[in-house]
Amino acid sequence: AQSVTQLDSHVSVSEGTPVLLRCNYSSSYSPSLFWYVQHPNKGLQLLLKYTSAATLVKGINGFEAEFKKSETSFHLTKPSAHMSDAAEYFCVVRGYSSASKIIFGSGTRLSIRP
Amino acid sequence: NAGVTQTPKFQVLKTGQSMTLQCAQDMNHEYMSWYRQDPGMGLRLIHYSVGAGITDQGEVPNGYNVSRSTTEDFPLRLLSAAPSQTSVYFCASSSGTSESGELFFGEGSRLTVL
Repeated sequence: AQSVTQLDSHVSVSEGTPVLLRCNYSSSYSPSLFWYVQHPNKGLQLLLKYTSAATLVKGINGFEAEFKKSETSFHLTKPSAHMSDAAEYFCVVRGYSSASKIIFGSGTRLSIRP
Repeated sequence: NAGVTQTPKFQVLKTGQSMTLQCAQDMNHEYMSWYRQDPGMGLRLIHYSVGAGITDQGEVPNGYNVSRSTTEDFPLRLLSAAPSQTSVYFCASSSGTSESGELFFGEGSRLTVL
């Protein structure tokens, strides 16, 4: 069975500074991992995904994440935060099998200070 | 393309009433799922299906029933609504392969149980 833990429920950074949102996963086999973003009162949008290819994954809007098997982590980063990045971010895990369920983390709310 | 179509968008029920949330997708996806979203808890998996005739429980299945008679449709039934089921519900689908397996979401259904 797979699970995912987002280590911070809320992260606040100043505009122009780096963003780090932390995610640890548990999976019996090589998982697929995703980050989704949800802006206030909006639907969910895929930021990026890892599916056993390159361990450093680049996504939309300047975000990227690195898959570290030894640390069972898939942290999301961005070099310079913009006000428009303020949103809820979800780390998601899917097991290797096509019958695996897809599990969300509890989310990290990102706030950007002017 | 319609993608994932979810109805209704809003619903108010009284305790004890039953209702069905409808979900249909036109992408020939094998995997379909229902999530509920509550503040601070992310998206929690209610039930999922990996193909017609196959369903399984997620993290919070109690009080909900599903069936999958066709590839396209995956309705969620509330048998006897309770105030604890007040939430926003999302239907999502994905291709069956873990390599590509991002989720495609419906627009959500906001359910209030009085």
